Amino acid sequence: TQLLEQSPQFLSIQEGENLTVYCNSSSVFSSLQWYRQEPGEGPVLLVTVVTGGEVKKLKRLTFQFGDARKDSSLHITAAQPGDTGLYLCAAFSNSGNTPLVFGKGTRLSVIA
Amino acid sequence: ETGVTQTPRHLVMGMTNKKSLKCEQHLGHNAMYWYKQSAKKPLELMFVYNFKEQTENNSVPSRFSPECPNSSHLFLHLHTLQPEDSALYLCASSPSHANGETQYFGPGTRLLVL
Repeated sequence: TQLLEQSPQFLSIQEGENLTVYCNSSSVFSSLQWYRQEPGEGPVLLVTVVTGGEVKKLKRLTFQFGDARKDSSLHITAAQPGDTGLYLCAAFSNSGNTPLVFGKGTRLSVIA
Repeated sequence: ETGVTQTPRHLVMGMTNKKSLKCEQHLGHNAMYWYKQSAKKPLELMFVYNFKEQTENNSVPSRFSPECPNSSHLFLHLHTLQPEDSALYLCASSPSHANGETQYFGPGTRLLVL
């Protein structure tokens, strides 16, 4: 069973602070995705990373895929209340049409 | 709006009731999925349909019965559920059920079983 461990589980910060959340596994993945889920909604895809060591930026969000394709991080600069939500990482394995595996998520609260 | 709609958004049912959840996608996708999201647990894949054929049943109890009449619609029929089945049920779709395809999620149905 491929497990994705996300940390921290909960994070509450003040507006303007920086933060990093992590997604780790002992398995190698062909690609990894980050989603954000707001209350009352389904997850919405933020980014897909494919290449080991890849870094992608989406405005104030920076995503990195580990060199060995086993882990990833999401860094948010100058967090805003609108960043509040559940951040989920999800990954595809290297083998065939296996299901997308999700972590439990990091629940972020940004206080104004 | 992700192009995937789900109804109802909220549902309360007793353990002896029969109800159905509906999902519709307007994206022209060929694969559709049902997930269960419970507190403190990862999203759990329940069923996968690819070109209207069920390709995965992730050891889901028979009290959950999926139906996919066409590539745009997916149903989840519920019968004699248990309180522990209370959760957010999410539908998703993707162009096909291939490794790496992006899945688009609906807003979910929040189910409470009494």
